Amino acid sequence: NAGVTQTPKFRVLKTGQSMTLLCAQDMNHEYMYWYRQDPGMGLRLIHYSVGEGTTAKGEVPDGYNVSRLKKQNFLLGLESAAPSQTSVYFCASSLVGNYEQYFGPGTRLTVT
Amino acid sequence: GENVEQHPSTLSVQEGDSAVIKCTYSDSASNYFPWYKQELGKRPQLIIDIRSNVGEKKDQRIAVTLNKTAKHFSLHITETQPEDSAVYFCAASKAADSGYALNFGKGTSLLVTP
Repeated sequence: NAGVTQTPKFRVLKTGQSMTLLCAQDMNHEYMYWYRQDPGMGLRLIHYSVGEGTTAKGEVPDGYNVSRLKKQNFLLGLESAAPSQTSVYFCASSLVGNYEQYFGPGTRLTVT
Repeated sequence: GENVEQHPSTLSVQEGDSAVIKCTYSDSASNYFPWYKQELGKRPQLIIDIRSNVGEKKDQRIAVTLNKTAKHFSLHITETQPEDSAVYFCAASKAADSGYALNFGKGTSLLVTP
């Protein structure tokens, strides 16, 4: 049981490049979330999903897109990366009706 | 939307002393209040949580109190140890209409000196 995993662990992008971050969970959780963490800012919600095929915007969705084609995977896409998207990205998941969220190890993204 | 404020941003205590971190929230519909500990370079780890129908919860050296009327909650760590040094985040959540998403405070960096 791997829990929540994230791919890749680190990435450096140039401004304007695109990439996809993958979050996978093997706990059969319905709910999945993407957060970003910046120094002194805590974690902020980007997008979330309450089930396969459904997504919703969080607090800071601009510049990101998401997809939940399979229950166990939640993808975060950056179509045209900007230096302001330099951050650590955490994925999390939870069971239906259960508030507790389980976090992945994070992806450190640098956009130059 | 929900606004969670956390104080202090940094806290330094001597080993064995107590540490208290306070948070306030703005949305009276919030009903779940977790606390996370994050060590450098690691993922946030849930250490304790409380629901709005409970005023206090304790787990060994850690306790959380909730005042729904005042919309604030606090983390209390007693008999602090150097391994308690980390960044602590409070958060608030309401139910299904937001997918149980968490709104985090900005964190408190706790340093416990021997």
